[in-house]
Amino acid sequence: GAVVSQHPSWVICKSGTSVKIECRSLDFQATTMFWYRQFPKQSLMLMATSNEGSKATYEQGVEKDKFLINHASLTLSTLTVTSAHPEDSSFYICSAAKLAGGETQYFGPGTRLLVL
Amino acid sequence: GENVEQHPSTLSVQEGDSAVIKCTYSDSASNYFPWYKQELGKRPQLIIDIRSNVGEKKDQRIAVTLNKTAKHFSLHITETQPEDSAVYFCAASIGNSGYALNFGKGTSLLVTP
Repeated sequence: GAVVSQHPSWVICKSGTSVKIECRSLDFQATTMFWYRQFPKQSLMLMATSNEGSKATYEQGVEKDKFLINHASLTLSTLTVTSAHPEDSSFYICSAAKLAGGETQYFGPGTRLLVL
Repeated sequence: GENVEQHPSTLSVQEGDSAVIKCTYSDSASNYFPWYKQELGKRPQLIIDIRSNVGEKKDQRIAVTLNKTAKHFSLHITETQPEDSAVYFCAASIGNSGYALNFGKGTSLLVTP
């Protein structure tokens, strides 16, 4: 199998607070994990690529100081939305690619963030 | 930057008919092209993928074709069923690293009984 989990599945927070989202590969080791953002009825926008033990690579327009990514092990990556504001409200979804498993990305169930 | 165009944005077919979704890409180095199905509020699920060394791949009712020269690829679903109703996304690898993906904007497919 190739199961990816995310926690929490949804979160509501006040403006100005920080929110941490975890992405775990449960039954495989992931060379690389990806973080996407998806607005309602829109596509998945790649935010950053995260490799275990190294700094994440951010896509153009994504603030790395705003969206902190840590990939401490081959099964866990975290995304922290710092000083969240209402415009950060979105569906955040991660994916993971298997170690020596080729290009296939396996997606987590997503985290719905609402910033009040 | 490089992007992926997907058409149509919505598609309605009758049960049993075929559905075709088309995508074009601009990065000539792209070599991996997956298709994902996403039901409302759920995670995208890989349904089929194709690599640049083949022109066509089939898995039961689903097939994908790739024309590298023209930089376009298509998803074909035959004998559609109501449970095929979902949003379908095409994607192309960013360069030939085979990992990061650019996604199309999605096609909302509705299969009516």
